[in-house]
Amino acid sequence: DAKTTQPNSMESNEEEPVHLPCNHSTISGTDYIHWYRQLPSQGPEYVIHGLTSNVNNRMASLAIAEDRKSSTLILHRATLRDAAVYYCIRGGSQGNLIFGKGTKLSVKP
Amino acid sequence: ETGVTQSPTHLIKTRGQQVTLRCSSQSGHNTVSWYQQALGQGPQFIFQYYREEENGRGNFPPRFSGLQFPNYSSELNVNALELDDSALYLCASSLPPGQPYNEQFFGPGTRLTVL
Repeated sequence: DAKTTQPNSMESNEEEPVHLPCNHSTISGTDYIHWYRQLPSQGPEYVIHGLTSNVNNRMASLAIAEDRKSSTLILHRATLRDAAVYYCIRGGSQGNLIFGKGTKLSVKP
Repeated sequence: ETGVTQSPTHLIKTRGQQVTLRCSSQSGHNTVSWYQQALGQGPQFIFQYYREEENGRGNFPPRFSGLQFPNYSSELNVNALELDDSALYLCASSLPPGQPYNEQFFGPGTRLTVL
């Protein structure tokens, strides 16, 4: 099960939008793309997921490339509480989540 | 609605010892997955339990074993501890396998240190 590829770290200013990229070139046609985030000293928490079309929820938006080889998580207005490690994840064949190292997002006031 | 809880929060053991970690799933969830997270890495899948049976396993040796109880709570047991077993152990609960989409709800983890 191949993992996804993300930048190790990104910085953002408070109140500005953040675009977190992810490459998943080996994803199959039926694999969901999941995004979770892990705040310091906590377990991961669900952010958003998608299959083919763009998705929006109260936390974020997910833009999926037409060929599904990449996606971008969009936080519309970053807050200090959004500082976390963001994981772009493929679903495993056993119903598990396959995590990479994620992107550490820092938010500056 | 009660979230996923894990105990203990922290644990220190020595090489060769055995350890048992515990997890209570979120209300209404009957599937529990365990993950190991080494420092600076993403979580790695250990195994999943559904209906009190192992329902999938990652690349971990047999000295990592588990149990699920009728109330859906779960235990992770690790025998013959090695230094590399030092990690954060995360439990996640979810609805039964086979759903079109199945969000996993993680507990805060147990920090295990092996000396």
